[in-house]
Amino acid sequence: EPEVTQTPSHQVTQMGQEVILRCVPISNHLYFYWYRQILGQKVEFLVSFYNNEISEKSEIFDDQFSVERPDGSNFTLKIRSTKLEDSAMYFCASRRGAGFTDTQYFGPGTRLTVL
Amino acid sequence: TQLLEQSPQFLSIQEGENLTVYCNSSSVFSSLQWYRQEPGEGPVLLVTVVTGGEVKKLKRLTFQFGDARKDSSLHITAAQPGDTGLYLCAGLFGGATNKLIFGTGTLLAVQP
Repeated sequence: EPEVTQTPSHQVTQMGQEVILRCVPISNHLYFYWYRQILGQKVEFLVSFYNNEISEKSEIFDDQFSVERPDGSNFTLKIRSTKLEDSAMYFCASRRGAGFTDTQYFGPGTRLTVL
Repeated sequence: TQLLEQSPQFLSIQEGENLTVYCNSSSVFSSLQWYRQEPGEGPVLLVTVVTGGEVKKLKRLTFQFGDARKDSSLHITAAQPGDTGLYLCAGLFGGATNKLIFGTGTLLAVQP
């Protein structure tokens, strides 16, 4: 069964450094998302991406964040200058279409630790 | 701001018992999904409910969507230790992006 994959599984970085989190969505999916989950808190929406542009972003997704689909398969989240509070699990998700029954499938996540 | 409240937050029961988890909002959902999440992993989809009043069964799990599409429940019959995990509801409120709004989660522990 097709699945969303994410790399790396765990990223440790120093405060102020740039990180890029990578995702490979399911191949025939058109809508892509990033969510994050701070330890002990609920999963929060960051950004959605469709047709090579951001379709919606949350208040969390400030100028330090960017997303890209550099080729036909990868979807990346970049944090330019990491802060301690960016430490969280970051989940990529994809869905095939925009219908109410189109399910979002989540990747296994990248655990980002900012020291 | 759409909010999804889940109750209870924590539940510890003995193997063989039944339980119900609730997911409530003041907003109407286009659809609602239930996920299960293991520690350090991503949410894994259990079911999607779309129609008000809809009931779906997945082995010992029964999912119900409220008639007004503002609430949902997950009932587990004869819980087993393998059911232990974090159960999340997530609502789809429509719009251009169909982002998911997640509930606060219910952490279930089933003791053998």
